[in-house]
Amino acid sequence: DGGITQSPKYLFRKEGQNVTLSCEQNLNHDAMYWYRQDPGQGLRLIYYSQIVNDFQKGDIAEGYSVSREKKESFPLTVTSAQKNPTAFYLCASSTRAGRVGFGELFFGEGSRLTVL
Amino acid sequence: AQSVTQLDSQVPVFEEAPVELRCNYSSSVSVYLFWYVQYPNQGLQLLLKYLSGSTLVKGINGFEAEFNKSQTSFHLRKPSVHISDTAEYFCAVTGNNDMRFGAGTRLTVKP
Repeated sequence: DGGITQSPKYLFRKEGQNVTLSCEQNLNHDAMYWYRQDPGQGLRLIYYSQIVNDFQKGDIAEGYSVSREKKESFPLTVTSAQKNPTAFYLCASSTRAGRVGFGELFFGEGSRLTVL
Repeated sequence: AQSVTQLDSQVPVFEEAPVELRCNYSSSVSVYLFWYVQYPNQGLQLLLKYLSGSTLVKGINGFEAEFNKSQTSFHLRKPSVHISDTAEYFCAVTGNNDMRFGAGTRLTVKP
């Protein structure tokens, strides 16, 4: 079935460790996104990518890094520089502006990261 | 960059009453506007979107929204709500693929 797969679903990390969250899509979408969801703050954009080998910072990129080496994959690394990493992370994908279906984001089930 | 403000964090309403969830946006360029819904323990689902054309947009589950450029608003409405509409609703905006969401409005429908 087509969709977005995020892994792991739950992750625990010690302070000072980097962790990488996986996001894979088989929808043939060009654009991919990473959001952080905290209670009362909605979804905040971390990074987004419109095409392979290109990505842009969102509103809260500090302490995070991404890569887009393949169209299907957009992994997010939470580095030790992120001061408050405990959160729920959502990956999404969509078609690009000007194409049929633009604007409808398809979301993964999310990854919940807890720093111990 | 574009941004949206959802004016109400929580909206309680009785079943079969009308409801309006408010959303204002800011942008220096033309924008595309969206409403998403998140039911408990589920992902986000697109309710409706405004890309161009008619300013009144109809979506799924009887919801509609009106784009008002002069007031920079995109309020979501439903004439008669059901218990099953209880969920969190997010307004979102994009100029060109940088989709940004509001803080969300929790709609609680009471019997």
